[in-house]
Amino acid sequence: EAGVVQSPRYKIIEKKQPVAFWCNPISGHNTLYWYLQNLGQGPELLIRYENEEAVDDSQLPKDRFSAERLKGVDSTLKIQPAELGDSAVYLCASSITGAVGETQYFGPGTRLLVL
Amino acid sequence: DAKTTQPPSMDCAEGRAANLPCNHSTISGNEYVYWYRQIHSQGPQYIIHGLKNNETNEMASLIITEDRKSSTLILPHATLRDTAVYYCITTGANNLFFGTGTRLTVIP
Repeated sequence: EAGVVQSPRYKIIEKKQPVAFWCNPISGHNTLYWYLQNLGQGPELLIRYENEEAVDDSQLPKDRFSAERLKGVDSTLKIQPAELGDSAVYLCASSITGAVGETQYFGPGTRLLVL
Repeated sequence: DAKTTQPPSMDCAEGRAANLPCNHSTISGNEYVYWYRQIHSQGPQYIIHGLKNNETNEMASLIITEDRKSSTLILPHATLRDTAVYYCITTGANNLFFGTGTRLTVIP
């Protein structure tokens, strides 16, 4: 079974430029999560989707961050414009239904460096 | 969600059991205890979870105290590939709140 796929794995951009990250969850998983992980810290949830609906985006900085999950499968996370402080690893995870007690499966992440 | 307290780092000799403690004294009755680990440059990996009873799977054992205020993750025979950051998480919702975890180093 293929795991969660993310691309690109690494991205270097200059500040004020836009950037986008792509995630393909495990087939059949209805719930998709985007996490942000700063150096030396644990992941922090940015947004959670159930199918194509964003059911928890309370931690997403909406002035510069946006996300979409068209057709309830793949998802894209965008930052526009990027700031120096956005340098971090962006992780995508998926689970079957998002129910309590259900395992989340993580992708390898996209490491972003903003110069 | 209840907060957890873990030691920042631990060492374990290869082949020995690694016992990773976690305190969660404010855990609620409906909150699960989860353990994930993160090997360098990879995404977090699920290990095990439990509610009240001790649990065991092919990776590890989870021992939860009777009052549920603390738990211990046991890796029975640690290998070098078990070197990672281990996160103890308690949640009654479908969101995970990671702390800073315990960095386990398995020493040859």
